Parts: sequence; structure tokens; C-alpha cells
Amino acid sequence: NAGVTQTPKFRVLKTGQSMTLLCAQDMNHEYMYWYRQDPGMGLRLIHYSVGEGTTAKGEVPDGYNVSRLKKQNFLLGLESAAPSQTSVYFCASSYGSRKSSYEQYFGPGTRLTVT
Amino acid sequence: DQQVKQNSPSLSVQEGRISILNCDYTNSMFDYFLWYKKYPAEGPTFLISISSIKDKNEDGRFTVFLNKSAKHLSLHIVPSQPGDSAVYFCAANSGGSNYKLTFGKGTLLTVNP
Repeated sequence: NAGVTQTPKFRVLKTGQSMTLLCAQDMNHEYMYWYRQDPGMGLRLIHYSVGEGTTAKGEVPDGYNVSRLKKQNFLLGLESAAPSQTSVYFCASSYGSRKSSYEQYFGPGTRLTVT
Repeated sequence: DQQVKQNSPSLSVQEGRISILNCDYTNSMFDYFLWYKKYPAEGPTFLISISSIKDKNEDGRFTVFLNKSAKHLSLHIVPSQPGDSAVYFCAANSGGSNYKLTFGKGTLLTVNP
């Protein structure tokens, strides 16, 4: 199993450009999440999904959109990138039951720089 | 409002000694706690967890202690090894059908040979 994969690994954007980050998981997890990590800020939840076709806002959703058209994929979009969105983005997934004790499995991250 | 706090940004210990990483929380609805470990340029990986019905959980060199009355948990690593050098995140969940985790800011542990 590949687990959680993210593409691309690195990206540099100019202010105002758009892009989509792709997350894929092969563990048949119901829940998927997008986080950003900034120095001294820990992991902050951007958006999450509790199942195919559903999405919800997290702690810092402004400037981002998401879609979950297939259970295994969760896309994060930036419509008009801003320097404040320079960050490392992590995707995670989890089972939707108590069985696995809320453990989330993370991808390797995407380092995004907006100039 | 920071609901999960890791007040020590960094910690340095000698190889073979005990590492103690601390975490405090303010939300009394939290009933499940996890520790994640993160190496540079990698995603966080799950380390150990504890339910609020317990006060201790042990897995090899790693032990997590929970003091509900003080809203405090700690991760003990004994003995510490250079490979344990990483950022450690504390995370909490309020249970039920809510599977979101609230993370602390992390503590950078450096284990010196």
C-alpha cells in the first residue's frame, strides 16, 4: 500500500495564479483532511471531508476550495494565490469509526511558495 | 484560542536519558489524545495515544501519562536515542462522531549522542 500520496511535492506560484493539490489514499478511509503547517503554528485544519461528495470548513478555510468526487481523492484548490499561502500542506485520512482510535495517516507534504 | 498547548518549543537531552514532552489542554470535551512524530521533509506519523478513561499507556520506550484533573498529558521516552530527534505534536479529539484533531504547535526534541 502506498498509503497517502500527495502531488506535487514542491511548487512555486506567482501571486494571483491558481493551482490544485492532489491527495490520494488507498486505505479505503472515509475521512480526509487538508492541513497547513507554518513555523511556530503547528498543524491547522483547512478543510475536511467525511465521505465522497461531502466537504466542510476547518479552522483556516479562507482562500481555499476542496472537492471529493471520489472516495480515494481529495483536492485542494487555490484560486488566486497570495504570499500568505506560502506553507507546507499536508493531506491526511482516517477511518470513520472508533475502531482505529481517531488516528490520522499523513502524506509527505507539498511545499508551496507564493512570490 | 489555543486549545492544545505545547509550551516548550524545544527540548535537548542526552542519549540514554529520559525525554519528557508536555502538553496542556483547555477543552474539557477532549477525551482522546494522540502524539505524532515528525521528521523534516516528511509527514507526521502516529506514535501513541490514550483515552480519557486511562491515565497511562505504554508502547515500548514510549509512555503517555494523562492527568485529567490538571488537563495535562506528557510523553516519556526512555531511553532516548538520536533517532528520536524530531518534532513531536500533541493532538486531541472530543470524541463521538467528530473525528477532527486539534494539534499543539509542537516541540522539537534533540537527542545528543
